[in-house]
Amino acid sequence: SAVISQKPSRDICQRGTSLTIQCQVDSQVTMMFWYRQQPGQSLTLIATANQGSEATYESGFVIDKFPISRPNLTFSTLTVSNMSPEDSSIYLCSVEREQETQYFGPGTRLLVL
Amino acid sequence: GEDVEQSLFLSVREGDSSVINCTYTDSSSTYLYWYKQEPGAGLQLLTYIFSNMDMKQDQRLTVLLNKKDKHLSLRIADTQTGDSAIYFCAEKGGATNKLIFGTGTLLAVQP
Repeated sequence: SAVISQKPSRDICQRGTSLTIQCQVDSQVTMMFWYRQQPGQSLTLIATANQGSEATYESGFVIDKFPISRPNLTFSTLTVSNMSPEDSSIYLCSVEREQETQYFGPGTRLLVL
Repeated sequence: GEDVEQSLFLSVREGDSSVINCTYTDSSSTYLYWYKQEPGAGLQLLTYIFSNMDMKQDQRLTVLLNKKDKHLSLRIADTQTGDSAIYFCAEKGGATNKLIFGTGTLLAVQP
């Protein structure tokens, strides 16, 4: 398995501001992922973050809105830029480990007013 | 495109078995997963099955895969109140590392 932490665990933000979410893993991993879970909904992949290359974004998500950094093999950040109430969600990072398994962090609960 | 469907709710009595069902559309899926999400928590990987398997058992959990019908189920034996949570199935397509999640099933266990 993997021990994954996220900061902050929750936040309340004003519209128009930006929030950077951190994801830390207890060991080196190649693949890290960022997901969004809107209220009462399932998870949607935002992007895949590999160390040493640009993040790969899914349809409907763009780098200007969700810039991602991956400076090393144990850490990544996701920024939610110019927030609006529609960005209120849980944001989760995950990592891929052995046997094609993905493990998730505890999530960051974001409320935009 | 890929699509994963689940029923929204399931209610069982403590001690009974629970069966949560999932259907998917991607015939090239390589792995299928079951995750549990308790209130206010992240996702916990419960179990997974490789697409060339029919069944996998892990303590109280039994996963059945019908690849022909693209149907996955999770059976929880002797369901406890601590099993109350949302259960997500997810599939990994053959071409990417991306997980496609189902809509989630809310399991309510009545004492």
